Amino acid sequence: EPEVTQTPSHQVTQMGQEVILRCVPISNHLYFYWYRQILGQKVEFLVSFYNNEISEKSEIFDDQFSVERPDGSNFTLKIRSTKLEDSAMYFCASKTRGQVGELFFGEGSRLTVL
Amino acid sequence: EDQVTQSPEALRLQEGESSSLNCSYTVSGLRGLFWYRQDPGKGPEFLFTLYSAGEEKEKERLKATLTKKESFLHITAPKPEDSATYLCAVQATGGSYIPTFGRGTSLIVHP
Repeated sequence: EPEVTQTPSHQVTQMGQEVILRCVPISNHLYFYWYRQILGQKVEFLVSFYNNEISEKSEIFDDQFSVERPDGSNFTLKIRSTKLEDSAMYFCASKTRGQVGELFFGEGSRLTVL
Repeated sequence: EDQVTQSPEALRLQEGESSSLNCSYTVSGLRGLFWYRQDPGKGPEFLFTLYSAGEEKEKERLKATLTKKESFLHITAPKPEDSATYLCAVQATGGSYIPTFGRGTSLIVHP
């Protein structure tokens, strides 16, 4: 069964460092998303990406964040200068064509900022 | 302003003890309501999509129903492997196509 894969599974970084989280969405999916979940809190939307550009973003997704689809398979989230409050589980998700549809999530990348 | 409210926050059941989880939503129009299962340290796993009031979906011991204001996830004769957090997400009509998640219900089923 096709799945969304994310790397790394866990990253520990120092405050102020740059972090790149990587995702390989399901191959025939066209819409890509990043969500995050701070420990014990709800899953929060960060950004959506379609047709090689950002389609929507939340207030959380400020200038410190960026996304890229550098080739036909990878989808990355970059945090330029990490803060303590960026510590969270980051989930990549994808879905097929269509305005309404279920998202398929990866296993997540746990980011710990010290 | 929360669009999606789930209750209870936590639920403990004995194996075989059926129950229901609630997801109430406050949106002007509903495109779709989604149920997910999330195991500790893992990503949400898709369970169901419901589009209109009166719709029902079933999968093994789970049954999801939808009204104009809420959805229920009924768990019949649960087993310990059903222990997980169950998330509800709503996609509203209007400008945004982004599903908004509730805080989830943490279910523990004791053998």
